[in-house]
Amino acid sequence: AQRVTQPEKLLSVFKGAPVELKCNYSYSGSPELFWYVQYSRQRLQLLLRHISRESIKGFTADLNKGETSFHLKKPFAQEEDSAMYYCALRVPEKLVFGKGTKLTVNP
Amino acid sequence: GAGVSQSPSNKVTEKGKDVELRCDPISGHTALYWYRQSLGQGLEFLIYFQGNSAPDKSGLPSDRFSAERTGGSVSTLTIQRTQQEDSAVYLCASSLGPYNSPLHFGNGTRLTVT
Repeated sequence: AQRVTQPEKLLSVFKGAPVELKCNYSYSGSPELFWYVQYSRQRLQLLLRHISRESIKGFTADLNKGETSFHLKKPFAQEEDSAMYYCALRVPEKLVFGKGTKLTVNP
Repeated sequence: GAGVSQSPSNKVTEKGKDVELRCDPISGHTALYWYRQSLGQGLEFLIYFQGNSAPDKSGLPSDRFSAERTGGSVSTLTIQRTQQEDSAVYLCASSLGPYNSPLHFGNGTRLTVT
């Protein structure tokens, strides 16, 4: 069965520290993965998708098929990165989401 | 604005009453999705429309839940005989198509069943 696991409900770091939000998936097909972000009082929005291989707001994520992971990383966290982050897997006509990780970046 | 619009933004209802939640997708988006967001559960898929048909309604939790889409545009999610466990934020999203396009989400309807 398809599943997305985000093992950390909460993650707290200090400004300027590196941050990694973990995401693991289970899927028998060819995976297409996304990170969505929800800032306080804003709608859920796409942060990045693995097929684009892009860096958005300093965040990157690499698909590791061997480890079935798609961890989100940023070398120097900023206070404005505080938000709820969701990892999602396309299967294939809909997205299956993880339960989310709430990131807090402290000053 | 050109984003996904949901109404009402907040709904408080008594247990046992029926509620209707509305979603206006982005113009031209053929795919429309309903998700439920609750504390600790993340986003749960409910139903997906391609045009007016629903190829996947596997996430609807019970037969109290139904949804329709008309004119390939507006969608309504109906919950009959609401229960307290139905309290959640109901999110609608649309995309250009079901395969390669990202989802664009609305602000959601916060449903509280008392």
